[in-house]
Amino acid sequence: DAKTTQPTSMDCAEGRAANLPCNHSTISGNEYVYWYRQIHSQGPQYIIHGLKNNETNEMASLIITEDRKSSTLILPHATLRDTAVYYCIVRGYYGQNFVFGPGTRLSVLP
Amino acid sequence: NAGVTQTPKFRVLKTGQSMTLLCAQDMNHEYMYWYRQDPGMGLRLIHYSVGEGTTAKGEVPDGYNVSRLKKQNFLLGLESAAPSQTSVYFCASSYPTPLAGESKETQYFGPGTRLLVL
Repeated sequence: DAKTTQPTSMDCAEGRAANLPCNHSTISGNEYVYWYRQIHSQGPQYIIHGLKNNETNEMASLIITEDRKSSTLILPHATLRDTAVYYCIVRGYYGQNFVFGPGTRLSVLP
Repeated sequence: NAGVTQTPKFRVLKTGQSMTLLCAQDMNHEYMYWYRQDPGMGLRLIHYSVGEGTTAKGEVPDGYNVSRLKKQNFLLGLESAAPSQTSVYFCASSYPTPLAGESKETQYFGPGTRLLVL
């Protein structure tokens, strides 16, 4: 699986959009980009995933660059409850485990 | 639909004691996983199972054993606990997509078991 690089921490003002970047320059053609988050010490929570096209769901949007070497998770209107560690994971064919790195600690400030 | 549940939520062991952590899922998922998370770090895979009766080693399997006798349950055993096994243990489950070559798969996690080994 391709390795990912994320900033260690980020701050965002409540109500503003939070843009979390992720670099995955060694991603291969059949690997998906997944985003999970972990609030305090709870179990990780699935947010969104994508292959090539931009994706949107009720939680967030995922923007993947055309060369697929980087992506951005967007929380459109961050709330205090979005304070968490966000993990960007690149994963190949099913059966392989998810590799969780240290992630980005997002702090949403009032 | 409870999703993924873990038992117990918290446990304190003495060095050398044994215990079993139980993970149960009611989503009819084929795949199940055990991870551990040490303070300030990401999750590391201990063992996983791709179906009833099958298990495989992950990144950090030493000191642990697992069993998947029923599709809905995945047990993690510590035969002789050590202080280095103090951690938070997460179970997850997922299902493979039916189309060959695709890698879409979403893992759903339980709430975790906090284990302290003295």
